[in-house]
Amino acid sequence: EAGVTQFPSHSVIEKGQTVTLRCDPISGHDNLYWYRRVMGKEIKFLLHFVKESKQDESGMPNNRFLAERTGGTYSTLKVQPAELEDSGVYFCASSQTFLGGGELFFGEGSRLTVL
Amino acid sequence: AQSVAQPEDQVNVAEGNPLTVKCTYSVSGNPYLFWYVQYPNRGLQFLLKYITGDNLVKGSYGFEAEFNKSQTSFHLKKPSALVSDSALYFCAVRDMSNDYKLSFGAGTTVTVRA
Repeated sequence: EAGVTQFPSHSVIEKGQTVTLRCDPISGHDNLYWYRRVMGKEIKFLLHFVKESKQDESGMPNNRFLAERTGGTYSTLKVQPAELEDSGVYFCASSQTFLGGGELFFGEGSRLTVL
Repeated sequence: AQSVAQPEDQVNVAEGNPLTVKCTYSVSGNPYLFWYVQYPNRGLQFLLKYITGDNLVKGSYGFEAEFNKSQTSFHLKKPSALVSDSALYFCAVRDMSNDYKLSFGAGTTVTVRA
């Protein structure tokens, strides 16, 4: 069974440009999450989808970030325009249920470098 | 609000020695606790979790962790470390009253020398 896949693995862009990150969750997982780790800091929650609906987007930094999950399958996270402080590793995770003690399955992350 | 603290940025041990990675947490309700590991150029991998029951939980690769409610701790342990255990370890907590949001610590880099 394929795990969570993310693309691209690394993106280098200039300040003001746009970047779109993609996540394909494990098949059958209705719950999809985006997290971000800025260098040396904790991994922070960005948002949570249940199927195509946003369950919680309280962690999204500002309106330069837009997440979508078309048809409840893959998800994209767009940063427009990118700023220097957006640099970090963006992790996607999925799970069958968000209730209780089910663990999240993470992708390898997309490293974003904004110059 | 829930939070996790990993007081050590780095832990260095010799191969064959015991390994401990510390974690303390803060939640308003009862916690679900997790440990994840990130090997170089890899994603986060689930190691083990505490939900309820026995305070000592066993996980992958010979790791175990002990839940201590009075000290609000969930330290990760391995009796005999291997060089291949060198990685970045994250502790995470989920508050049962807010049960979909997983909060992570800043991570601890473990280096096991041969």
